[in-house]
Amino acid sequence: EVQLVESGGGLVQPGGSLRLSCAASGFTFSDSGMSWVRQAPGKGLEWISSITGSGDGTYYADSVKGRFTVFRDNSKNTLFLQMNSLRADDTAIYHCGKHWDCWGRGTLVTVSS
Amino acid sequence: QSVLTQPPSASGTPGQRVTISCSGSSSNIGRKPVRWFQHLPGTAPKFLIYNNTQRPSGVPDRFSGSKSGTSASLAISGLQSEDEADYYCAAWDDNLNGHVFGTGTKVTVL
Repeated sequence: EVQLVESGGGLVQPGGSLRLSCAASGFTFSDSGMSWVRQAPGKGLEWISSITGSGDGTYYADSVKGRFTVFRDNSKNTLFLQMNSLRADDTAIYHCGKHWDCWGRGTLVTVSS
Repeated sequence: QSVLTQPPSASGTPGQRVTISCSGSSSNIGRKPVRWFQHLPGTAPKFLIYNNTQRPSGVPDRFSGSKSGTSASLAISGLQSEDEADYYCAAWDDNLNGHVFGTGTKVTVL
């Protein structure tokens, strides 16, 4: 059974940093592109980043480009999202997904002073 | 502001057919395959449709997708109470060099 479990969310001050993790199991992790999407309170789903199976290709939404970095450790079946220079409008539930058929329940990131 | 536009809401009674539209442009739907997702806030998004019309295994055949030009549609036939959720279209956008989700449609079962 494919499972994706996000962790690392929490409360952080504006300008701060946070690293999200996504532990994957039940499939060949290195064969699958992965993505992060988020849902801010009262808003719809927003794609924010994707990475190829090998990790050599990364893509970002304009809203996070230059602030967020996606990377993966295929030896540990784990996807990461390093989030820097966080802003209040980054407050959201962040979901990781295996292209495109399986998604995690998400981890909540709250950016507030 | 998404580049894929959906109606904010749709509704029907149990057993009815509901259709959700997704309007894009030549840089996304016009040249790229469309996916559809079902989502209840606070839960994992569920993958419903890929390559415009294909259903992953386990998705009921009550869900069907179509595409014409720069627009796509999701139809839910035989509407059931458990279909009450938010629905999103998605596609790659060549101008943005990234994926985009639609604005989302809340389906209510009356």
